[in-house]
Amino acid sequence: DAKTTQPPSMDCAEGRAANLPCNHSTISGNEYVYWYRQIHSQGPQYIIHGLKNNETNEMASLIITEDRKSSTLILPHATLRDTAVYYCIVRVASGSRLTFGEGTQLTVNP
Amino acid sequence: KAGVTQTPRYLIKTRGQQVTLSCSPISGHRSVSWYQQTPGQGLQFLFEYFSETQRNKGNFPGRFSGRQFSNSRSEMNVSTLELGDSALYLCASSLERDAEAFFGQGTRLTVV
Repeated sequence: DAKTTQPPSMDCAEGRAANLPCNHSTISGNEYVYWYRQIHSQGPQYIIHGLKNNETNEMASLIITEDRKSSTLILPHATLRDTAVYYCIVRVASGSRLTFGEGTQLTVNP
Repeated sequence: KAGVTQTPRYLIKTRGQQVTLSCSPISGHRSVSWYQQTPGQGLQFLFEYFSETQRNKGNFPGRFSGRQFSNSRSEMNVSTLELGDSALYLCASSLERDAEAFFGQGTRLTVV
């Protein structure tokens, strides 16, 4: 699976949009971009995934650049409960193995 | 719909013992994967089961094993426990092998 690079930490004010970047410059054509988050000592929570088109669900939006070498996860109105480690993962279409990096610690401040 | 259920939530074992952890996937999910999370190594893939067969295995010693039953429930076993096996063990299930995975709350294993 392709390696991803994320900033180790970010801060965001409550109510503002949180934009979390991810670099995956070696991504292959059959690899998806997945985002998970983990609140302290809980199991990771699936957020969203995409191949090349932008995606949106009730939790977040995923913007993937046209060359697919980077993406941004957007939490439109961050709340204190969004404080967590966010993992960007690139995964092949077949097989369920997820390779987690170090992720980004997002802290939402009141 | 109930989520992924892992039992027990917490466990304390002595070095040299063995332990069995259980995972009940979301109803209808056929793929189950296991991960180990430690402060030093982060989240690492252990193995994946689909249709009662191990499909993928991470870089862990043979002391770590697992199985999946016909109802998709899965167990993992660690024999001859070492202090370094202390970790949060997470189970994830997905509808099919290439679908998004949903995680349980994990089993916190402490080896003393």
